[in-house]
Amino acid sequence: KAGVTQTPRYLIKTRGQQVTLSCSPISGHRSVSWYQQTPGQGLQFLFEYFSETQRNKGNFPGRFSGRQFSNSRSEMNVSTLELGDSALYLCASSRERRELFFGEGSRLTVL
Amino acid sequence: AQKVTQAQTEISVVEKEDVTLDCVYETRDTTYYLFWYKQPPSGELVFLIRRNSFDEQNEISGRYSWNFQKSTSSFNFTITASQVVDSAVYFCAPLMRGGGSEKLVFGKGTKLTVNP
Repeated sequence: KAGVTQTPRYLIKTRGQQVTLSCSPISGHRSVSWYQQTPGQGLQFLFEYFSETQRNKGNFPGRFSGRQFSNSRSEMNVSTLELGDSALYLCASSRERRELFFGEGSRLTVL
Repeated sequence: AQKVTQAQTEISVVEKEDVTLDCVYETRDTTYYLFWYKQPPSGELVFLIRRNSFDEQNEISGRYSWNFQKSTSSFNFTITASQVVDSAVYFCAPLMRGGGSEKLVFGKGTKLTVNP
């Protein structure tokens, strides 16, 4: 069965722009989580969605937002990009309280 | 505080050596799950194992084995007869619960290099 699909895989933006990343979970998985990975901070939890509702949010500014659609696909948006937002953004899907399966990530570079 | 410590930042071994990756965690939860993930250069986090805090029996899967000690909050991972393909960054991550939700709390990772 298909894994977690994230698009785009790579993108370059400039400061002040906004970006939208997309995640298609494994079929049947209703929970989608987003993580940011940077060399300095490592893997940090952004937020989790379940049945179109945000259930949990990490310690990130309001410029980071997300949503989940009725088909469980999720998007995350970062507005007013800063250099420090350059990172690998990983999406994971799971069934309730089961292992998280990750996509290959979207690598964002902010210039 | 809920956190994970992977004290070894980088480990380098020669093929066929055994290697153990350490993980110590802190959690307020009385029951919880623990995970290990592998991240090859491609970037995707690959699930290796899930262990619940009820079960302290060690687990072996091929060349991989895990030693869970609840009393010391440790969940160590051993690769026996390492291979070059094992080269990756390995993450330990407890699944922390709070506010009706769950999230993985990752350690900083241990970069393993297996040299031929």
